[in-house]
Amino acid sequence: EDKVVQSPLSLVVHEGDTVTLNCSYEVTNFRSLLWYKQEKKAPTFLFMLTSSGIEKKSGRLSSILDKKELFSILNITATQTGDSAIYLCAVAKNFNKFYFGSGTKLNVKP
Amino acid sequence: DGGITQSPKYLFRKEGQNVTLSCEQNLNHDAMYWYRQDPGQGLRLIYYSQIVNDFQKGDIAEGYSVSREKKESFPLTVTSAQKNPTAFYLCASSSPSNQPQHFGDGTRLSIL
Repeated sequence: EDKVVQSPLSLVVHEGDTVTLNCSYEVTNFRSLLWYKQEKKAPTFLFMLTSSGIEKKSGRLSSILDKKELFSILNITATQTGDSAIYLCAVAKNFNKFYFGSGTKLNVKP
Repeated sequence: DGGITQSPKYLFRKEGQNVTLSCEQNLNHDAMYWYRQDPGQGLRLIYYSQIVNDFQKGDIAEGYSVSREKKESFPLTVTSAQKNPTAFYLCASSSPSNQPQHFGDGTRLSIL
């Protein structure tokens, strides 16, 4: 059975801290792994990873994929209160099917 | 601007009533999806459609139905058989190539 597991489920940090969010997966016909940020409404796309070992960066956020060990991490450095959100990990399979993890709820306190 | 439009934003259902959530996209995407999200949780797939006039059940299809008569539209009906419909419903679409999904702003459904 295909599954995507995120950890931790929730996290509370203070502004300026660095956080690491984890996503492990067991999915047949893997095509890519995606990270989304969800505040109140629609998830917004952060990264798509298809190859192992290649770090993707966008400002204070970065992510990397390990296809041998079947996991990905999302790092956020120098956190700000605006980073507070649910971070969703999803795996895309062949035929355009996506599996989502349960999300990590991040709360950044001033 | 291209995007996905979900309506209504808020919906209330009475006992025994069917309600339909609308999802329209102008991105020319072939695939469309419906997800359910419970408070503090991730997304669970209800139904998805790869092409017009075809759709498949996801992990939690019981109590829901869909249709895909047009490429742009993928309405979801929450039937009276769905005993716990209170949730946030998200519609998404994607292109056949290896691209991320695009999401609508969601419909929040509650029971009266």
